[in-house]
Amino acid sequence: EDKVVQSPLSLVVHEGDTVTLNCSYEVTNFRSLLWYKQEKKAPTFLFMLTSSGIEKKSGRLSSILDKKELFSILNITATQTGDSAVYLCAPLSNSGYALNFGKGTSLLVTP
Amino acid sequence: GAVVSQHPSWVICKSGTSVKIECRSLDFQATTMFWYRQFPKQSLMLMATSNEGSKATYEQGVEKDKFLINHASLTLSTLTVTSAHPEDSSFYICSASTQSGNTIYFGEGSWLTVV
Repeated sequence: EDKVVQSPLSLVVHEGDTVTLNCSYEVTNFRSLLWYKQEKKAPTFLFMLTSSGIEKKSGRLSSILDKKELFSILNITATQTGDSAVYLCAPLSNSGYALNFGKGTSLLVTP
Repeated sequence: GAVVSQHPSWVICKSGTSVKIECRSLDFQATTMFWYRQFPKQSLMLMATSNEGSKATYEQGVEKDKFLINHASLTLSTLTVTSAHPEDSSFYICSASTQSGNTIYFGEGSWLTVV
């Protein structure tokens, strides 16, 4: 059975801090690992990771995948209050485009 | 702008009635769309896979007769919650993938409240 575990489940930091969010997964016929940010409504896409060891960056956010250890991390540097959200990861398999999400990490950035 | 549109964003219905939620892909054709449900403070849970021109595939524990899915065209899938009960109150979101599968887009979601 496919499984996704995210940690920590929740996190409170001060503005300017750096955070690392973790995602471990088990999936049959792995294709990619996706990260999303969810605020009040639907998730917004952050990253799709397919290859191990290649860091993807978007501004203060970056992510990397370890396909051997079945693990991905999402880093946010110099956090801002606008980063407060739930961050979700989900592995994508070759058998389709359905996503089985982890429970997410709820991040709160305080001023 | 949104590439997957969901309607309505908010809906309140009486217990026992049915409500339909639409999911449209705006700039691309989606042979497959997905419906998720999210209860407060919980993660998105896949309900079903909607296949254009054929029957939907439901996840274990999701009642197909209660959550009717119709995917009559390459750009539209509908989810109908039949005989709604208060416990069906939730956030329902659809997603669709481009043909290449490189990006998965989510609709804006629909908040359903059954009173």
